[in-house]
Amino acid sequence: DTGVSQNPRHKITKRGQNVTFRCDPISEHNRLYWYRQTLGQGPEFLTYFQNEAQLEKSRLLSDRFSAERPKGSFSTLEIQRTEQGDSAMYLCASSLMGEAFFGQGTRLTVV
Amino acid sequence: EDQVTQSPEALRLQEGESSSLNCSYTVSGLRGLFWYRQDPGKGPEFLFTLYSAGEEKEKERLKATLTKKESFLHITAPKPEDSATYLCAVQALAERGYQKVTFGTGTKLQVIP
Repeated sequence: DTGVSQNPRHKITKRGQNVTFRCDPISEHNRLYWYRQTLGQGPEFLTYFQNEAQLEKSRLLSDRFSAERPKGSFSTLEIQRTEQGDSAMYLCASSLMGEAFFGQGTRLTVV
Repeated sequence: EDQVTQSPEALRLQEGESSSLNCSYTVSGLRGLFWYRQDPGKGPEFLFTLYSAGEEKEKERLKATLTKKESFLHITAPKPEDSATYLCAVQALAERGYQKVTFGTGTKLQVIP
């Protein structure tokens, strides 16, 4: 049984560039979450999918951020025109009903 | 708005010195409370789910308990490998049936040999 997989593990990008992250959830899980975590803080909710439908987005999510989950399988998170404040760990999690299981995250550094 | 407060922020224990971590929460319609362990540079690792006051769960040296306002993670005779950040999260029913999960900022535990 494979867990939640995220790629890439690390990404360094120049300010103003676009980046895209991928998340492959646990195969039978219909719920998928994206979180952002900065040093010393807990994960902060970004968005939630149930199957292919994006049902919730954080008010903190600017229009530079977009997420998709085509066919209810893998998901992508794209950040356009990156800013230094976007530097963080981006975590993906999936669940069936209750507890969510996390991937190892993608560490984004914007220089 | 749902709130989760964890204390202490950091805890340093000698190996074998038992202690407890606290998670206080304010939420409308609690659906579940989760404990996770997170090692540096990695994603959170699921430990426990608690659903109702009075419930307890155990795993090795860890025991989680739940009341109507808080949860405790008890660590008995900790070992250096228990060093990590422990995160608490609450799940509540939000709009449109979405079950919102709110995390605390965590307790960073260091166990000294």
